[in-house]
Amino acid sequence: QVQLVESGGGVVQPGTSLRLSCAASGFTFSSFGFHWVRQPPGKGLQWVALISSDGNDKYYADSVKGRFATSRDNSKNTLYLQMSSLRPEDTAIYYCARRIGDYWGQGTLVTVSS
Amino acid sequence: EIVLTQSPTTLSLSPGERATLSCRTSQSVSSSLAWFQQKPGQAPRLLIYNTSNRATGIPARFSGSGSGTDFTLTISSLEPEDFAVYYCQHRSSWPPSWTFGQGTKVEIK
Repeated sequence: QVQLVESGGGVVQPGTSLRLSCAASGFTFSSFGFHWVRQPPGKGLQWVALISSDGNDKYYADSVKGRFATSRDNSKNTLYLQMSSLRPEDTAIYYCARRIGDYWGQGTLVTVSS
Repeated sequence: EIVLTQSPTTLSLSPGERATLSCRTSQSVSSSLAWFQQKPGQAPRLLIYNTSNRATGIPARFSGSGSGTDFTLTISSLEPEDFAVYYCQHRSSWPPSWTFGQGTKVEIK
């Protein structure tokens, strides 16, 4: 069955970096683009980034452009989100989601606080 | 940037009743409109894509309609498991991105 499992979340100080991973199984990973979506505690959904199936095309929300970078390793069936210069407003649950949103991971919580 | 506005913010209904949720977009989005359900502590779940297509495994009591700037999610008869938050979503083709509405909470009356 299709599974997406995020990891790498935690508590970090403002200005630092963190890398999230999303491990996929149960389907042909290299055939699909993926999105990152975040949800601040008690709030709605915010789109963060998109990466194409081959990893050559990447798009970002204005709020994270220049600070976040998404990548993928199709040999490892894994998606990444490198987050730098983290701010308190980046505190959220971060989800990876397959192309049209038909499958989502369970999310990983990132807390940015001093 | 397209803005999605959902109404109402909260819908208080009893099991068995019909739920009608609205999503209005700030400009026409053709049929690129989806609906997601989210329960506490869970990831969003795709219900409807391209305005009216049910995702795999979604019960027939969920239906979507609309076009242009006005879209509706209808739950014909609420089951206990349907009480949740619902988000509409637009998928932009260029630049590729997703935009979500602020959500409608369907709560037990």
